[in-house]
Amino acid sequence: DTGVSQDPRHKITKRGQNVTFRCDPISEHNRLYWYRQTLGQGPEFLTYFQNEAQLEKSRLLSDRFSAERPKGSFSTLEIQRTEQGDSAMYLCASSLVHNEQFFGPGTRLTVL
Amino acid sequence: DQQVKQNSPSLSVQEGRISILNCDYTNSMFDYFLWYKKYPAEGPTFLISISSIKDKNEDGRFTVFLNKSAKHLSLHIVPSQPGDSAVYFCAASRDSGTYKYIFGTGTRLKVLA
Repeated sequence: DTGVSQDPRHKITKRGQNVTFRCDPISEHNRLYWYRQTLGQGPEFLTYFQNEAQLEKSRLLSDRFSAERPKGSFSTLEIQRTEQGDSAMYLCASSLVHNEQFFGPGTRLTVL
Repeated sequence: DQQVKQNSPSLSVQEGRISILNCDYTNSMFDYFLWYKKYPAEGPTFLISISSIKDKNEDGRFTVFLNKSAKHLSLHIVPSQPGDSAVYFCAASRDSGTYKYIFGTGTRLKVLA
């Protein structure tokens, strides 16, 4: 399968714990995006990378959130000191610069 | 501020008939629009897109219409099939689609056999 993959698919954690998600994009794609989706809403943009450079961060991305794409391939999204309001589906997408974005299956986070 | 709006949360259509999903946007800087389909427990899947230089784009059973003056686009599915039952998201971008996507809240389509 050569699509976008995300790991883990589900994560349950207690409030205050740190969590890290991984995204592996389609191999030739130089852009990688993170979105968050809550119930009844569409995906909301969090941040994106072109190669290893993080080009934009949404106001939704508080200082507890950090994303990296160290070698311009896979990316990680870390949430520190999780809160119940962080419970959501975290989606990763990748694209070439002038092409549509392809999404992974998402990581569903539940913060208890 | 919801820049992309899908005002119908759900739609039911008989198999074989036309499904019409609507989307409105407010930002005149948007110049590239897309439709994604989402099944439960999966990520959104790209369906069809349209640039603002066009007013129609067709791909098989799917056609997207863009009315720039009304800031409105619609997705037509003809004929509708039970496998089309999913949540459909409209998305908009600027800079010819190289910018981030802004999504609507989705419309749940149910195609009845």
